[in-house]
Amino acid sequence: DAKTTQPNSMESNEEEPVHLPCNHSTISGTDYIHWYRQLPSQGPEYVIHGLTSNVNNRMASLAIAEDRKSSTLILHRATLRDAAVYYCIQSKAAGNKLTFGGGTRVLVKP
Amino acid sequence: GAVVSQHPSWVICKSGTSVKIECRSLDFQATTMFWYRQFPKQSLMLMATSNEGSKATYEQGVEKDKFLINHASLTLSTLTVTSAHPEDSSFYICSVRAGNLYEQYFGPGTRLTVT
Repeated sequence: DAKTTQPNSMESNEEEPVHLPCNHSTISGTDYIHWYRQLPSQGPEYVIHGLTSNVNNRMASLAIAEDRKSSTLILHRATLRDAAVYYCIQSKAAGNKLTFGGGTRVLVKP
Repeated sequence: GAVVSQHPSWVICKSGTSVKIECRSLDFQATTMFWYRQFPKQSLMLMATSNEGSKATYEQGVEKDKFLINHASLTLSTLTVTSAHPEDSSFYICSVRAGNLYEQYFGPGTRLTVT
């Protein structure tokens, strides 16, 4: 299974941006980068996905390195509700099987 | 995004009994559904992929005779844990994918406790 590496945890202050790094050095040309987050005792929630270009949506931005071996999820202004485990996943678009790693636990301090 | 429900949200059963968990896609037709399991303080582990009208594809190490999956319609998939044992106690989560959408939408999860 394709694996990504993420820091175990990160802390942020409320209203400040959060940059979550992810390494995916084994990524192939057809693999997409997906981000999901999971709040306590809930199912994961889709955040964003991308292939080569940077992506923006209402939840976050995804910055993908030129060599695609790493990416960064950007939460522009963290709120207390953003406290969750964030998972970075590389997956082939066709099958879309998601292999979850350990993720990054984000703590947002008021 | 899609709305996915699971029923029940939690269940307690005795060892040796079977438990059925339902996963429903409420607002679109889900051609593919996935079942995951999550133990406390661990990540999600994919158990199986369920395609409407065909047999589920199980991940390596998941017993297909123990975890029965039925995807009889485009809006409903069920997971039956047969002869449950305490080690089957876990958080079971389903997700759906429709057509060529890249994202998956997850249900709220079902917490199973086997006593």
